[in-house]
Amino acid sequence: DAGVTQSPTHLIKTRGQQVTLRCSPKSGHDTVSWYQQALGQGPQFIFQYYEEEERQRGNFPDRFSGHQFPNYSSELNVNALLLGDSALYLCASSPDRNNEQFFGPGTRLTVL
Amino acid sequence: EDQVTQSPEALRLQEGESSSLNCSYTVSGLRGLFWYRQDPGKGPEFLFTLYSAGEEKEKERLKATLTKKESFLHITAPKPEDSATYLCAVLGGGYNKLIFGAGTRLAVHP
Repeated sequence: DAGVTQSPTHLIKTRGQQVTLRCSPKSGHDTVSWYQQALGQGPQFIFQYYEEEERQRGNFPDRFSGHQFPNYSSELNVNALLLGDSALYLCASSPDRNNEQFFGPGTRLTVL
Repeated sequence: EDQVTQSPEALRLQEGESSSLNCSYTVSGLRGLFWYRQDPGKGPEFLFTLYSAGEEKEKERLKATLTKKESFLHITAPKPEDSATYLCAVLGGGYNKLIFGAGTRLAVHP
């Protein structure tokens, strides 16, 4: 049984560009959450998707947007990249909002 | 405001030297406290979920406990392969997001 998968593994962009990160949840999971983890910090919640809709959002600007597809996979889009957006972006899936969230390996985004 | 504080920030142990990591939390309506292990550059690996004060869970050399204000992760006779960052997170009432602490970086030396 495959766990949570994310692509790409690493990404280098320049300021002002746009990026799309992808996530496939663990089999049987229908809820996907995205987190941003800066170096030396704990993950910070960006948003959560359930039934193809954004269910909750953290303190991130509108430049951060997402989507969930009918097969429960998800995308995170970031527009107008800033240097401060450089971080490890983590996707987590769960069978429902009350259960353990299982994380993928992350996408390391570097903004130059 | 809900928050999680972990201590110490970093811990260096000799192989076989047992110790404990602390996670203090403030949350309205705790729905779960979670421990994760994270290796450098990788995603967090789920270890335990605790739901109520007095609950304990064990896995190999790790044991997690929970009170109304804090959780401890006890590491018994650690080995070098236990070296990692250990993250604590809470799930509170009225929201679906995990609130994480900054983690404890554990280094176990032979």
